[in-house]
This record gives sequence, C-alpha cells and structure tokens, in this order.
Amino acid sequence: QVQLVQSGAEVKKPGASVKISCKTSGYSFTSYYIHWVRQAPGQGLEWMAKFKPGGDTPTYAQKFQGRVTVTKDTTTTTAYIELSSLKSEDTAIYYCAKTLDYFDVSGIAFWGQGTLVIVSS
Amino acid sequence: IVMTQTPLSLSVTPGQSASMSCKSSQSLLHSDGRTYLYWYLQKPGQSPQLLIYEASNRFSGVPARFSGSGSGTDFTLKISRVEAEDIGIYYCMQSIQLSVTFGQGTKVEIK
Repeated sequence: QVQLVQSGAEVKKPGASVKISCKTSGYSFTSYYIHWVRQAPGQGLEWMAKFKPGGDTPTYAQKFQGRVTVTKDTTTTTAYIELSSLKSEDTAIYYCAKTLDYFDVSGIAFWGQGTLVIVSS
Repeated sequence: IVMTQTPLSLSVTPGQSASMSCKSSQSLLHSDGRTYLYWYLQKPGQSPQLLIYEASNRFSGVPARFSGSGSGTDFTLKISRVEAEDIGIYYCMQSIQLSVTFGQGTKVEIK
C-alpha cells in the first residue's frame, strides 16, 4: 500500500533553514508527482510546491519563490523540501502528498502524517 | 484560481443530510474532458483524506453517503446521512492550473 512517512518535528530560530523528508513506498516513486502543502495553526491548507521525481521541473507557489527548494533521492524513494529564511509565520504543519494519477494536473490522493515546524527565537 | 467555499460552518443532526458549495474563479474543465476538482475531509488532528476526485468520483473506501456533483465553476459535496465520524473540515481543491489552490474550508459539526 502507498505510504508517505515524514521526518519528525523541528524547532528553528528565525532566519534559519529547515529540511523535511518524506519517505515513500508502495508505488513507483518516479512516476507520480509529490506535492508539499502546509497548514498554520488553526488555518487552512496552503499549497507550496509540486514536482515529479522522474525529472520534471518543480513548480513553486509564487509566495515561496526563492525561499523553497524541493529535491529527491531516487535510491531511497525519499522527497525533501527545504525552506530558508524562516519567519515566525512559517510555523505550521508541513505535509507531503502523492497524486492520484501520473500526469501533472492530477490531484492529491495520499498524504503524509505531517511534520510540525516551529519557528521561535 | 480562487476557490470559494460556503458555508464556512455547518451544524448537522446525525441522520440528516448536509450540503456544501465550492465555486472556482475559472472553469476546471480541462481539454482532456476531465474536471480537476477534489474534495477532502480533515478530521481533527489528522491529515486530510481524499473523498471525491474529478468532481464526482468517490475515492476507494469512501462511504456511498458522500457524493460530489457540479461542473465548470460550481461544485457541491453532499453527505446524505451524516454520522458522528463525519465531523471535521471539508476542503475543495483545484489542480487544473500549475499552481494548486484550496478553498478556505467548511467546518462540519454535529448538533
């Protein structure tokens, strides 16, 4: 079965960077898109980025351009997101998610358990 | 694309039906004939879970009491007989554009 298991909670100081991992299994890692979505405390879902580990150019939300990078390790079928220049407003749960189908307009079907990132001095 | 959900909250008696709306600022009908509108439920303390894909298709394992309808820019999620386990926040999402967007959510509570 499809599984996305994320790394543990992080506490970072303003200005630092954070890198979150998303270990996948149960499907062909390079064939489906991975999305990253975050949720600030008590708020809704905010989309950040998507990419296809098989080689597509990542697409980033304009809000995070220049501050976010998604990468992957195909040997371990793990996706990563790194967010730099952290601010208190980046405090949120970060989710990785896999698409339902393999084409770029396919929506999200499976979600990781989420990673809490707290940004505080 | 801006996704607008109404109402923002809904209080429902178990066994009664519930309905919520999602409107997109642009058509979600793709040239391939599919409509890229999805519905998710986020139960308290959990990750979102997919209920409906491409506007009207129930995802694997989703109870038949959930149904999605609509086309173009207007969509509806209906729960035919609400159960206590259906509480949470319901989100719609579009993926037709490169940048995905979510609605602000409809919170469903049990009376």
